[in-house]
Amino acid sequence: NAGVMQNPRHLVRRRGQEARLRCSPMKGHSHVYWYRQLPEEGLKFMVYLQKENIIDESGMPKERFSAEFPKEGPSILRIQQVVRGDSAAYFCASSPSGGQKYGYTFGSGTRLTVV
Amino acid sequence: AQSVTQLDSQVPVFEEAPVELRCNYSSSVSVYLFWYVQYPNQGLQLLLKYLSGSTLVKGINGFEAEFNKSQNSFHLRKPSVHISDTAEYFCAVIPMNRDDKIIFGKGTRLHILP
Repeated sequence: NAGVMQNPRHLVRRRGQEARLRCSPMKGHSHVYWYRQLPEEGLKFMVYLQKENIIDESGMPKERFSAEFPKEGPSILRIQQVVRGDSAAYFCASSPSGGQKYGYTFGSGTRLTVV
Repeated sequence: AQSVTQLDSQVPVFEEAPVELRCNYSSSVSVYLFWYVQYPNQGLQLLLKYLSGSTLVKGINGFEAEFNKSQNSFHLRKPSVHISDTAEYFCAVIPMNRDDKIIFGKGTRLHILP
């Protein structure tokens, strides 16, 4: 039973390019969460999605960032026109419906470097 | 809204010594509590959780934590640390009875000294 799969593990983009980060939740998990980790700042919530629905995007920057979790396929976090400040580790986590209280299962993260 | 405060950003401790990592939280509703561990260049792994019942919970790798409702605390302890415990530790909360997200503290980096 594969865990949460994130790819790529490392991503390098030049300023102004687009970054696409993918997350396949654990089998049977219908809830996906994205977090961003910056040094000394811990994990900051970005967005919470269920299949085809954004439930909570209160942590997403208003511009350039978007997320989706289509009916088929992985969840995608998209960053348009990246800037140096977007360099960070982005983690995806998943949980089953009603199972949030048992904690999330995390992926290994995508480390984005903007040059 | 919920918030989590981890009072120490870094904790150095000698190998085989005991350690306590402190966590306090603030919430207007009842919460479930977690500790996660992150080894270098890896994702987060659940160490233990408090849902209800006994306030002392045991987790993996010999860690335990005690929930203190009156002090809004959930400190993590281990009686004897090993070099392999070198990692960052995150305290986290999620509201009960609500479809919501986990809120994390800023983390405590545990340095094991030989």
